[in-house]
Amino acid sequence: DIVMTQSPDSLTVSLGERATINCKSSQSVLFSSNNMNYLAWYQQKAGQPPKLLIYWASIRESGVPDRFSGSGSGTDFTLTISSLQAEDVAVYYCQQYYSTPLHTFGQGTKLEIK
Amino acid sequence: EVQLVESGGDLVQPGGSLRLSCAASGFIFSDYAMHWFRQAPGKGLEYVSALSTNGDITYYADSVKGRFTISRDNSKNTLYLQMGSLRAEDMAVYYCARSREGYNLLDYWGQGTRVSVSS
Repeated sequence: DIVMTQSPDSLTVSLGERATINCKSSQSVLFSSNNMNYLAWYQQKAGQPPKLLIYWASIRESGVPDRFSGSGSGTDFTLTISSLQAEDVAVYYCQQYYSTPLHTFGQGTKLEIK
Repeated sequence: EVQLVESGGDLVQPGGSLRLSCAASGFIFSDYAMHWFRQAPGKGLEYVSALSTNGDITYYADSVKGRFTISRDNSKNTLYLQMGSLRAEDMAVYYCARSREGYNLLDYWGQGTRVSVSS
């Protein structure tokens, strides 16, 4: 199984500041035949299901604010929130779908306001 | 509007059985592969099972293989998860999810249904 490891486990950031979450996969999730990274990011607010934010490592889902961006390739990926808003308080998960449908998630990063 | 509504969660004794349902609306159910995930209290997300559009291809996590069965009724726009030989470690909120681009992108999730396993 592909193991996804996020860092940090928790993060406290001031409103308006940048938040950065890292994700590392135990093997590359870059599919050579189409040069696509099979990596997504999800946001889960308290008491709610996960919400798809970013897919193919860097494509924002429809309706997701442009302060959210994804980057990286191969085994190392980053989710960046450029200017933290109060409504961004949540747990964020990276997820690989290289071995789809056996999706595996990182352990989650809890983002709070300073 | 796409909606997924799970039901069937309950308190069950170890070794017991339960059937979860996921009622879909707002999209052509038979066009999409469907999935079950779970989240134990205070823990992360775990893949449970997936099912092809017409129900002929199933996938299971090793932790549930042989105990859980995924199925769907496209005439009723409903996904099911038959759970048997339940263990304490199966206790979680169970989510159904729809994927687009085959099994890849989990774009809609239900609100979840809670399964508790205790004597």
